[in-house]
Amino acid sequence: QITLKESGPTLVEPTQTLTLTCTFSGFSLSTSGMGVAWIRQPPGKALDWLALIYWDDDKRYSPSLKSRLTITKDTPKNQVVLTVTNMDPVDTATYHCAHISGDVLDYWGQGTLVTVSS
Amino acid sequence: DIQMTQSPSTLSASVGDRVTITCRASQDVTLWLAWYQQKPGKAPKLLIYKASTLQNGVPSRFSGSGSGTEFTLTISNLQPDDFATYYCHQYDTYRTFGQGTKVEVK
Repeated sequence: QITLKESGPTLVEPTQTLTLTCTFSGFSLSTSGMGVAWIRQPPGKALDWLALIYWDDDKRYSPSLKSRLTITKDTPKNQVVLTVTNMDPVDTATYHCAHISGDVLDYWGQGTLVTVSS
Repeated sequence: DIQMTQSPSTLSASVGDRVTITCRASQDVTLWLAWYQQKPGKAPKLLIYKASTLQNGVPSRFSGSGSGTEFTLTISNLQPDDFATYYCHQYDTYRTFGQGTKVEVK
């Protein structure tokens, strides 16, 4: 059974760096074809893909946010970390991580709401 | 970036109706298109991938079709549990979601 859970701060101040951790079970990022993605959703708005990382450390970023994003993995700990620099109130959103298999986002975490405010 | 445009944005329907949602891509995504269902406060749920393949456990009243730049999600015999927001998602080049279609009670 694949599960994912996001963790991190619920409130960050403008200009700060956000660090989110996705802790998962039921699969390993040492397995060929596996990956983890991050997606966010501002309140009442649509889903917005941010970044993904594959088992072989191949990384992809949203072109519009690439300069602010870093994704890394800790395979033994079953964790993927996303950092977002220079946070702004428009970055207020629920941040989800999701499992990738065959390039499909098939299992999602419940998400964590991050509010950007001073 | 590949833009995904869904129509309509909101759809009013009744239990038992047949519902169709359209998703158009700004460029060819071949068959790399998925559909998700999301309910308030919940994570999205994968319904269909590779344009028309039903995810395990998803009821057969959901179906997907299309290729290239135009895709549809059809729900036949709409059930009470189906009132939700639906998103298309291309995974051909980077990844992009549509803006969502809310299926509400008529």
